[in-house]
This record gives sequence, structure tokens and C-alpha cells, in this order.
Amino acid sequence: DIAMTQSPDSLAVSLGERATINCKSSQSVFYSSNNKNYLAWYQQKPGQPPKLLIYWASTRESGVPDRFSGSGSGTDFTLTISSLQAEDVAVYYCHQYYSVSQITFGGGTRVEIK
Amino acid sequence: EVQLVESGGGLVQPGGSLRLSCTASGFTFSSYTMSWVRQAPGKGLEWVSYITSRDATIYYADSVKGRFTISRDNAKNSLYLQMNSLRDEDTAVYYCARHRAGPFDPWGQGTLVTVSS
Repeated sequence: DIAMTQSPDSLAVSLGERATINCKSSQSVFYSSNNKNYLAWYQQKPGQPPKLLIYWASTRESGVPDRFSGSGSGTDFTLTISSLQAEDVAVYYCHQYYSVSQITFGGGTRVEIK
Repeated sequence: EVQLVESGGGLVQPGGSLRLSCTASGFTFSSYTMSWVRQAPGKGLEWVSYITSRDATIYYADSVKGRFTISRDNAKNSLYLQMNSLRDEDTAVYYCARHRAGPFDPWGQGTLVTVSS
């Protein structure tokens, strides 16, 4: 199985400041034949299902504010919220879909307001 | 509007069985791979099972293999999860989710399964 490790487990950021979440996979999720990283990011607010934010590691989902961005390749990935807003308080998960026989998620990162 | 609605959750005793359903609307259900994902109370996301559009390929997480069975009825726009030999650790909100050429989108609102005596 591809293990996904997120860090930190939680972080508190002031409104308007940058939040950075890291995700590391135990093996590469980059598929060279199509030059894509099989990595997505989700946002989950209390009592709601996860919402897709980023896929192919850096493609922002339609309707997602441009303060959310994804980067990285191979085994190391980052989700950045450039200017934290109150509505961004949530838990964020990374997800690898490279191995569909054993799909895995990171453990989640809780983002709060400082 | 693309929508997934789960049903069938509830309270069941250890060793019991339950069948979850997920009804899709707003898209051509028969064209999409689907999965079940669960979330134990206060915990993270755990993928449970995967089924391709025509049942050609099915996968299970090791934690449920041999106890859970995924199926679908494309004529009814429905996805199912038959859960047998339930354990305390199967207690979770169960979500169905559409594979959109890789990532999950959308997700249903979830149905709560509680395994307890």
C-alpha cells in the first residue's frame, strides 16, 4: 500500500496569513506516461462530506478560490492557502489515486484561526 | 445537479449485517467508477471498496475483505455495500463517492453505521 503522511496534524494561522500543509507518499504517485501526479486534496468542514479542492496535484477545481494552490511531484506535495479566511477553518486531506486497488488518504490536517 | 444519496445505515449488533445503498442522479451513473469511503467518529477518511462501471473490476480494503461486498445496479442508478460480520471498528459514517477520472467528486452526505451491543 502507498502510505500517505500529512504534516502537521494541526495548525493555527492568523487571518490573512499563509497556511501550508504537507503530504508525503511512501512511493511515487507520478505516472510518467501522462506526466501526471495522482494526488488530490479535499476540504472537510464539520458535519459535511469532503469537498474536492485540487486534483492532479495542482489543478484547482472549478469554483475553488484561487487562494488555494497545490504543488509538488513524485512523493512530496503541498497545499497552500495564501491568505487564510474564516471560512477556511476545516480539516484537509490528501488522497492518492495512483493505486486504485488500495486507495489511501493522509491522516488529515486541522486548520484553525490563531 | 450531480447528487449521491446514501441510505441504510443504523444500529446493528456485532456479528450482524447491514446493506447500504447509494442512489445517484444528475449524471450517467453507468459510465462511472464508484467507491465507498468511511470515517469513524472523530477520525480520518478510510477507503473501503471500489467498483468499475460494468462491474469488471472490484477492490476492497484489507480491513473489510471477505466481509463486505460491493455491487451496483446501473438500471436503478444505485450502488450497494453489503456488510456482514460487523465489528465495533466498522462504526463510521459511510460515504459513496464518484471517481471523476481519478479524484472523488462528488461525495454523498453519508449514512451512519453504529455497531454496538
